[in-house]
Amino acid sequence: QSALTQPASVSGSPGQSITISCTGTSSDVGGYNYVSWYQQHPGKAPKLMIYDVSKRPSGVSNRFSGSKSGNTASLTISGLQAEDEADYYCSSYTSSSTFVVFGGGTKLTVL
Amino acid sequence: EVQLVESGGGLVQPGRSLRLSCTASGFTFGDYAMSWVRQAPGKGLEWVGFIRSKAYGGTTEYAASVKGRFTISRDDSKSIAYLQMNSLKTEDTAVYYCTRDHCSGGSCYSFDYWGQGTLVTVSS
Repeated sequence: QSALTQPASVSGSPGQSITISCTGTSSDVGGYNYVSWYQQHPGKAPKLMIYDVSKRPSGVSNRFSGSKSGNTASLTISGLQAEDEADYYCSSYTSSSTFVVFGGGTKLTVL
Repeated sequence: EVQLVESGGGLVQPGRSLRLSCTASGFTFGDYAMSWVRQAPGKGLEWVGFIRSKAYGGTTEYAASVKGRFTISRDDSKSIAYLQMNSLKTEDTAVYYCTRDHCSGGSCYSFDYWGQGTLVTVSS
């Protein structure tokens, strides 16, 4: 069982917006602004999409945005495109001895 | 262009050891913390551990699942990070990714560059 909880799957049609949630505790997501999101296509390495809750690395589309409320972080993808179909993972710093925890991953299907 | 290339994966028996290498290029390796993240077949991501830059003491941190068995080290003169894995278990079977911390120094707990991964299979 992963330390952070994500829905197993979400789906949306091209052009729509979707949101993926990532629920933790006050020891990780809720206590620190070190939430990140990664996109992983099949057979590929993960790609950093969001860091520090809501910041985008250079080169990442502004269709991707992040936010946090309490112990839950969210990734929103607007204007869905076929190439967005992938697995998405959240991660957070944690004050436990583990330092970094990941969510179980969410499979995004673009209908 | 930043590149991370892992090597050293393969098939190993339970209880044995294996050392992975991560050769970096395209950035000042010594300025960054480096992490290892693994992914068991068909499963999610799991952070393994990281090593801070020398400026932050070059100290290491590990996930509870590997603490005492795995050791991360670095050779800044060669731009290589290592993951020494001892007392391997079948549950250590995974693709192991080398990653760079997105900010220089200690760690920002997010990873902006990833290698292609190297598969470690622990089986008798």
